[in-house]
Amino acid sequence: GAGVSQSPSNKVTEKGKDVELRCDPISGHTALYWYRQSLGQGLEFLIYFQGNSAPDKSGLPSDRFSAERTGGSVSTLTIQRTQQEDSAVYLCASSFRTGSETGELFFGEGSRLTVL
Amino acid sequence: AQKITQTQPGMFVQEKEAVTLDCTYDTSDPSYGLFWYKQPSSGEMIFLIYQGSYDQQNATEGRYSLNFQKARKSANLVISASQLGDSAMYFCAMREGASGYTNAGKSTFGDGTTLTVKP
Repeated sequence: GAGVSQSPSNKVTEKGKDVELRCDPISGHTALYWYRQSLGQGLEFLIYFQGNSAPDKSGLPSDRFSAERTGGSVSTLTIQRTQQEDSAVYLCASSFRTGSETGELFFGEGSRLTVL
Repeated sequence: AQKITQTQPGMFVQEKEAVTLDCTYDTSDPSYGLFWYKQPSSGEMIFLIYQGSYDQQNATEGRYSLNFQKARKSANLVISASQLGDSAMYFCAMREGASGYTNAGKSTFGDGTTLTVKP
């Protein structure tokens, strides 16, 4: 596809259930990010994948959150035993890191998660 | 410590006037990039402008310009001739770039500034 694709666009789940959010980055982009955004708030960094390097997981809020990136392309963010405070829009972004200073992020449209 | 600081949670500007959105940053990496993104109420993130740490001139893109003051570590966004469609949340971001630094390539965002353009 032409842009970053995220699915599902909307997910409503019950407290305690597990959810998986998928991100398909732009082909050839080596960097992939997950951010979380609550209503009217800023972007909360969750995790960062860069090429074959070990991911930067420093933003994951708890061990209920995990993410993987298979084959350097598609990424899945998994939230186990969801809580109401997990409700937010989960944004995925990718970039092609050509050098030390370039490469804006291209964002997907987000996955809106509502935990009842 | 905050890497990106946007001190203005909300700003108002009259249509057709100019407005400056503040951003300061903190890094020890000599090589970095500074970005501004716009997020309208529809939710999509739109890239506006980029400034590299070694760029001698301030970046400009149409009505957007970046007032880059390296010694003060500030990268303020200036929007000239504001339009109603400029009403949105604006995020400043930094990408540290030099290999060998822990955060090489990682982008960090500020908390954002909500701009409202009044008719």
